[in-house]
Amino acid sequence: GNSVTQMEGPVTLSEEAFLTINCTYTATGYPSLFWYVQYPGEGLQLLLKATKADDKGSNKGFEATYRKETTSFHLEKGSVQVSDSAVYFCALRQTGANNLFFGTGTRLTVIP
Amino acid sequence: EAEVAQSPRYKITEKSQAVAFWCDPISGHATLYWYRQILGQGPELLVQFQDESVVDDSQLPKDRFSAERLKGVDSTLKIQPAELGDSAMYLCASSSQGASETQYFGPGTRLLVL
Repeated sequence: GNSVTQMEGPVTLSEEAFLTINCTYTATGYPSLFWYVQYPGEGLQLLLKATKADDKGSNKGFEATYRKETTSFHLEKGSVQVSDSAVYFCALRQTGANNLFFGTGTRLTVIP
Repeated sequence: EAEVAQSPRYKITEKSQAVAFWCDPISGHATLYWYRQILGQGPELLVQFQDESVVDDSQLPKDRFSAERLKGVDSTLKIQPAELGDSAMYLCASSSQGASETQYFGPGTRLLVL
């Protein structure tokens, strides 16, 4: 079956620190991989995605590379800001399907 | 920028009562999803519509949950009777037709069952 495993939070970083949030997945075939972000009081927003092995998704300074050999899609940012404080969800979508399978989410707090 | 609308944003009800949530997807989006997000967990799909037809409701507890999208536009999710374990965030999302299209999420309805 399909599943996504994220590193447990919460994660607290100082402003300008380097961020890594680990995500590994289990799926048949070649899924598409996503990172969604949920800011306080808001719905989930797509942050970035990758649809095939070795693709790198990037947006707002965040990056993640689709690694098929390690079944991973780790989220990274070189210098976090207070405004990055949110809950981050890793997700996959099976080829040919529409619905998403989400991880449990990682809460990030960035302090000044 | 077009958004997915949901109402109410918060709902408190007593167990055994009926409760309903409403979702208005982005105009023109053929596919609509209802997800349930239990506190501390990721969202899980309850039901998926393509226009007015249910595509996937395999995870919908059909003894108490129902969903409809009569005209293929807005949608209603109902729970009757509500149970304590139904306390969660109910998220609606929509996407234009096609498996590769991005899902856009609404702000959610937070339900508390007492």
